[in-house]
Amino acid sequence: QVQLKESGPGLVQPSQTLSLTCTVSGFSLTSYNVHWVRQPPGKGLEWMGRMRYNGDTSYNSALKSRLSISRDTSKNQVFLKMNSLQTDDTGTYYCTRDGLGPWGQGVMVTVSS
Amino acid sequence: DIVMTQSPSSLAVSAGETVTINCKSSQSLLSSGNQKNYLAWYQQKPGQSPKLLIYLASTRESGVPDRFIGSGSGTDFTLTISSVQAEDLADYYCQQHYSYPRTFGGGTKLELK
Repeated sequence: QVQLKESGPGLVQPSQTLSLTCTVSGFSLTSYNVHWVRQPPGKGLEWMGRMRYNGDTSYNSALKSRLSISRDTSKNQVFLKMNSLQTDDTGTYYCTRDGLGPWGQGVMVTVSS
Repeated sequence: DIVMTQSPSSLAVSAGETVTINCKSSQSLLSSGNQKNYLAWYQQKPGQSPKLLIYLASTRESGVPDRFIGSGSGTDFTLTISSVQAEDLADYYCQQHYSYPRTFGGGTKLELK
């Protein structure tokens, strides 16, 4: 059964760095891409970036200067790091296989002092 | 970046009605190589992660009821839900999976009349 699960801190202070982990099961990171998508409270979906099966990455140009996606294939994990967080980075962060599905349950991140 | 414009932003329906949600892309999503349109539709219920309904414009994801029908080509696409049921009340998003960055429509909220 294909599953993805996001984990990370629920609260991050402004100007700090967000670190999230997507742990996958039921498929190999060397065969499928994993995407990150976020959603501010009550708003729509924003694509953030992608870890390709071969290790290549793509990023949303609006976030590229602050965002980094990496992985550890031995642990079946994909990581998201985003620096210089502001209050408008508050929202639910999802990882998804191939950017289509399935999706993880999401992790709510609040940026606040 | 490809801009996705979705309409209407909200729709009030009665159970049993047929509804149509529209999605327009700023560039064609039709691949000249395989003649496939790279457009996906998602359903998101409150407190849940998005669920893939349709990909490649008209291919229903496994387990999705056949009352959900995707159609369209090029830049104009439609999601039709025939005989709406109470469980279909949710937010719906279109997304292009033709090129990077992936982009989403603004969403359509389906509500009970």
